[in-house]
Amino acid sequence: KAGVTQTPRYLIKTRGQQVTLSCSPISGHRSVSWYQQTPGQGLQFLFEYFSETQRNKGNFPGRFSGRQFSNSRSEMNVSTLELGDSALYLCASTGGGRASTDTQYFGPGTRLTVL
Amino acid sequence: GEDVEQSLFLSVREGDSSVINCTYTDSSSTYLYWYKQEPGAGLQLLTYIFSNMDMKQDQRLTVLLKKQDKHLSLRIADTQTGDSAIYFCAESPGSARQLTFGSGTQLTVLP
Repeated sequence: KAGVTQTPRYLIKTRGQQVTLSCSPISGHRSVSWYQQTPGQGLQFLFEYFSETQRNKGNFPGRFSGRQFSNSRSEMNVSTLELGDSALYLCASTGGGRASTDTQYFGPGTRLTVL
Repeated sequence: GEDVEQSLFLSVREGDSSVINCTYTDSSSTYLYWYKQEPGAGLQLLTYIFSNMDMKQDQRLTVLLKKQDKHLSLRIADTQTGDSAIYFCAESPGSARQLTFGSGTQLTVLP
């Protein structure tokens, strides 16, 4: 099985711009979660999507949004970029059920640099 | 609130055992995980343990859970240079795909 894929791997944007990141989960997985990783704040949960619906949301401003498509692929969008948005954005997929063996598998991440 | 704490650095000699420690505060934590991150890469799931277990062994990895102390540890036997990485402890209440991570422990394996 192919793993979680994220595109693009690297992005450079300037302040005020917006950006869209994409995540394709493992085949058959229906849940996609997004995390932000920065040196200062570490790994922080952004949101989770399951069956095209946002199921959980972390403590991030409304500039951060996401969506999920019927094929379970997910995108996250950041509008009006700020310097502090520079980070590694990680996507993780799970089967999405409540099974005790349901664990998250992470993609390689998208490195976003805001200038 | 939820909080997961880890020591920041650990150095060991090749061939020795490494023990990485983690404490958490959320008493509703049901699942506890260990992830590995190598430079420039995403997170690799190493192992996980359910809160009703005390220990789990998986090849060179041993996870110990002291639930009363909210203390989790990861022991790597016969540590190799390829084990040099950042190791993250994470917890989940189990009802959602929302992990709370520790700050990560940088493991350095010396030849």
